Amino acid sequence: GAVVSQHPSWVICKSGTSVKIECRSLDFQATTMFWYRQFPKQSLMLMATSNEGSKATYEQGVEKDKFLINHASLTLSTLTVTSAHPEDSSFYICSARGFGAGQSNTGELFFGEGSRLTVL
Amino acid sequence: KQEVTQIPAALSVPEGENLVLNCSFTDSAIYNLQWFRQDPGKGLTSLLLIQSSQREQTSGRLNASLDKSSGRSTLYIAASQPGDSATYLCAVRPSTSGSRLTFGEGTQLTVNP
Repeated sequence: GAVVSQHPSWVICKSGTSVKIECRSLDFQATTMFWYRQFPKQSLMLMATSNEGSKATYEQGVEKDKFLINHASLTLSTLTVTSAHPEDSSFYICSARGFGAGQSNTGELFFGEGSRLTVL
Repeated sequence: KQEVTQIPAALSVPEGENLVLNCSFTDSAIYNLQWFRQDPGKGLTSLLLIQSSQREQTSGRLNASLDKSSGRSTLYIAASQPGDSATYLCAVRPSTSGSRLTFGEGTQLTVNP
């Protein structure tokens, strides 16, 4: 299957700082990327959908000024948690769908390894 | 609104046993259904994808079935191994506009040696 890479895999920061998480599609062009948040022992909660070159669409209840998403190229999307606070500590996972090597037109979704954010 | 339910929430079996994980969804208007595996602290690994027009998909010891009309899917794991221990998630993609998936809560599987 296609490869989606996330970086960093974990990050610890002080309250009030901003943290950027990158999501890259390594062997295909990701026309659409999704950002999820996962709390312990729970399933994934979709935060936003981003299409290359356009503004992200945020789910209800997700603050777009808090969670900045940029999908400037077909292989890279970034999630920036601005002025992070302890309640933002979570596991963030991106996924991607697109075309190119490793992809098909089945609509299969591929996920990154996730990024664990801990805000002190 | 689509709702996805997975039963059981947790399952513990001895090594070598065949097992079935269940997934049900409330809206049968789906584009596809995907089964994932998640290891602790890791992302999701796609296991099987079933299109709405398909009845089943197989990969190695895994077999997934889909009964769209009744809103059910099963994931069958043959000859389970300790390395199969993980959380298994099913997710459905709607046939209407948009690509967003709706996930179940997952089944946490433990295979004991």
